[in-house]
Parts: sequence; structure tokens; C-alpha cells
Amino acid sequence: DGGITQSPKYLFRKEGQNVTLSCEQNLNHDAMYWYRQDPGQGLRLIYYSQIVNDFQKGDIAEGYSVSREKKESFPLTVTSAQKNPTAFYLCASAPRANVLTFGAGSRLTVL
Amino acid sequence: AQTVTQSQPEMSVQEAETVTLSCTYDTSESDYYLFWYKQPPSRQMILVIRQEAYKQQNATENRFSVNFQKAAKSFSLKISDSQLGDAAMYFCAYRSAIGGGADGLTFGKGTHLIIQP
Repeated sequence: DGGITQSPKYLFRKEGQNVTLSCEQNLNHDAMYWYRQDPGQGLRLIYYSQIVNDFQKGDIAEGYSVSREKKESFPLTVTSAQKNPTAFYLCASAPRANVLTFGAGSRLTVL
Repeated sequence: AQTVTQSQPEMSVQEAETVTLSCTYDTSESDYYLFWYKQPPSRQMILVIRQEAYKQQNATENRFSVNFQKAAKSFSLKISDSQLGDAAMYFCAYRSAIGGGADGLTFGKGTHLIIQP
């Protein structure tokens, strides 16, 4: 079945550590996105990519980094520079100018 | 920049009744898309309904329909015959049509819908 796979589902990080969240899609979608969800804040865009080897910052990119080496994959690294990383992270993909399909999300908790 | 506002943090409705969730947005663009997504306790985001701004006809999907008022920049969601499975967070979202809308969706803060049995 086609879809988006995010892993891990739950992740714990110690302060000062970098962690990487995986996002893989087999929908052959061109565009991929990372959103952060906090209680009462809705979803906010971190990074997005329209094609391989190209990506753009979203509204809250500070403290995060991404790569897009393959069409299917768009990993997100939460760096130690992100001061408040505890949140729910959602990856999404879309064909051009079309509806976003979301993964099941990853919950990151800083210990 | 576009903004999306959902003024109802929480709504409650009796099972089998009808409920309307409000959404307003701010944009200077004339062509765009509007969406309602549902997020149940599993936290999986599920598309409920989509509306193209150039279409005057309101979108409908089974028990879900929208009231799209372009001049008022309003996009409300009506759920008829509410069911227990409708309980979820509902997010209104905007997507520009400029540049293929490549920069994704702008979301409101959500409305928590409670269904009373």
C-alpha cells in the first residue's frame, strides 16, 4: 500500500543531543514537508522540499536541518540549537499543487 | 502572509445533531485552496473536504459540507448527523495557488469537537 512512514513513533532526547526523524514515502510525490504540532498551536511549517537536492525554510526552521537526497526520503534533524524541541512532528507529501498526505507522526520528548 | 483563524477552541454536539465549525482566513490572493483536516486521537491527519476558491459551489462529502463565502473570507464546516467517530481535532487550512502552492498549507489552531452520546 502506498503511504508515508515516519519513524520512530516515540523518541527521547537528552539535552545537547541531535536526533533525526525519518520520513519515507512511496507515493511518487514531488513535494515533501515537515510540520511541528504543539498543543493549542496548530501545525507550523519547519521545512519543505519540491525536488531532490533542494529545500526551503518554513516559518520555524531555526534549530532544524533537513536533506533531500532521494525523492522518497526527507529526514529531519533536530539539533541541539533547538531550545524547545518537545513536540509532535508530522511529515507530509504531495504531488504538485495538490492535497497533502500525512504520516502518522513522531513524538519527541526531551529528558 | 496568509493567516487562518479558528475562533472556537472547543465545540460539543449531541450524537445525530448538526454542528458547524468556523474558520476565517486572511489573504490578498484571488486563487487558492481551502481544506478541513480531521485529527482523531490516533493523531493521523485525515482530509475531510477541499474547496477551490474559483468554484462558487460549496464542496460536499457525504455528511460533511462547507459554507464558502469568498468575499467574507469565511470557510465553515458543517457536520450533519454527528457520529461518535467524528470526535477529533478539526483543522482549517489554506494553500496558495501561486507557484503551485509548493510551500504547503497554513493551518488554523484547531477546534476540538466533542460528541455527546
